[in-house]
Amino acid sequence: DIQLTQSPSSMSASLGDRVSLTCQSSQGIGNYLSWYQHKPGKPPKPMIYYATNLADGVPSRFSGSRSGSDYSLTISSLESEDTAIYYCLQYDEYPLTFGSGTKLEIK
Amino acid sequence: EVQLVETGGGLVQPGRSLKLSCVASGFTFNNYWMSWTRQAPGKGLEWVASITNSGGSTYYPDSVKGRFTISRDNAQNTLYLQMNSLRSEDTATYYCTRYYGFPFDYWGQGVMVTVSS
Repeated sequence: DIQLTQSPSSMSASLGDRVSLTCQSSQGIGNYLSWYQHKPGKPPKPMIYYATNLADGVPSRFSGSRSGSDYSLTISSLESEDTAIYYCLQYDEYPLTFGSGTKLEIK
Repeated sequence: EVQLVETGGGLVQPGRSLKLSCVASGFTFNNYWMSWTRQAPGKGLEWVASITNSGGSTYYPDSVKGRFTISRDNAQNTLYLQMNSLRSEDTATYYCTRYYGFPFDYWGQGVMVTVSS
């Protein structure tokens, strides 16, 4: 199975900061990676698909990028509503696998 | 507006069975693959099962293969998850999810399943 390693596992940043979360794949998955934002008591929300494409309704301060087997979710200017756990998912092959998540908090 | 509404959760004893349902609306159900995803308390997300739009093919991770069965009734716009031989580690919130272009573009609110004696 493909393993996705997310780093850091948790972090805190200040409002307005530029924040980058990383997801590393154990094998090649091309661009078949998506990102989800999960807040307590709500279902996860898709943020990025195909590594770099913004999902519907997602603010433009979010972006996705890829460098080899490393994938990043970047928030250009952190807002209070961005507090959540962020998960990456590979959908290149079955079984579909999620990373373990990055918990993002506001300082 | 796309809506996915799950029902059927609850408390069940280990080794017993439970069937979840998900009624879909706001889109042409039989055009889309569908999936179930879960989150155990305090844990991360785990994909559980997927089914093609026709229902002709299904996919599972090893953790549930042979115990869970995903199915659908396109005439009723309903997705199902039959869960047999339930274990304590199956305790989770189960989400019905749509798959279009990429996995899980829409999620239901989730239904809780607790496996305990």
